Amino acid sequence: DAGVTQSPTHLIKTRGQQVTLRCSPKSGHDTVSWYQQALGQGPQFIFQYYEEEERQRGNFPDRFSGHQFPNYSSELNVNALLLGDSALYLCASSMGFNSPLHFGNGTRLTVT
Amino acid sequence: GEDVEQSLFLSVREGDSSVINCTYTDSSSTYLYWYKQEPGAGLQLLTYIFSNMDMKQDQRLTVLLNKKDKHLSLRIADTQTGDSAIYFCAESPDQTGANNLFFGTGTRLTVIP
Repeated sequence: DAGVTQSPTHLIKTRGQQVTLRCSPKSGHDTVSWYQQALGQGPQFIFQYYEEEERQRGNFPDRFSGHQFPNYSSELNVNALLLGDSALYLCASSMGFNSPLHFGNGTRLTVT
Repeated sequence: GEDVEQSLFLSVREGDSSVINCTYTDSSSTYLYWYKQEPGAGLQLLTYIFSNMDMKQDQRLTVLLNKKDKHLSLRIADTQTGDSAIYFCAESPDQTGANNLFFGTGTRLTVIP
C-alpha cells in the first residue's frame, strides 16, 4: 500500500521563477493538505484541498496556489519565488476531515 | 491564536524512558498528535489522542493529556537508538477542522548508546 508520494525530492530555482510541486495521496485518501517547513521549525499549514476545491487556507500570500485533480492528486504552485521560500514542502493526505494526516517525505526547495 | 511549545532538546541513555512535553493554548482542540521526523524524511504519525481522553497507550508509547493545564506528554519506554529523531506535537483546533494542524518547533531526542 503506497503512502503519500511527492515529486521531485529536491529542486533548485532562481529568485523570481515559478515552481510546481506534485503529490499523490495515500490510497483511499481524498483530502490533501500542504505544509511548509523552514529549517529548524515545525511545519506551517498552507492550504487544504477536498473535492478539487481549496477548503482552508493558512497565512500564506496569493503567490501560493494549488490544484486537486479528480484522482485526488494535487499540485502546489509558487510564483515569483523569494529566497525566503526555501524550505521543505510537505504534502499530507487524509480520509476526509476527521482522520489523522499522513505525510510524504517532502520536496526540498532551494531558491538562490 | 494557536501556540504550541516544546523544549528543543532531550538526551537519554539507551534503555531508559524518554518523556517529551508539550503545551498548547487552544482549549477547543479536539485532537492532539505526536509526529516523528528523521533526518531528510517527512513526518511519521506516531499516535494521537482525542481531547476527551486522559491517556492512550500504544506498545512503547504512552500519551498523557492534562486538558486543564493544556499539557501533553509522550513517554517512550525502553528508548532505543532508532528513536533518535525530532518529535513534533501538533494540535487541531476545533473551529478549523481536524486537518489544519498547528505544530510546535519540535524536540530533538538524542539516545546515547
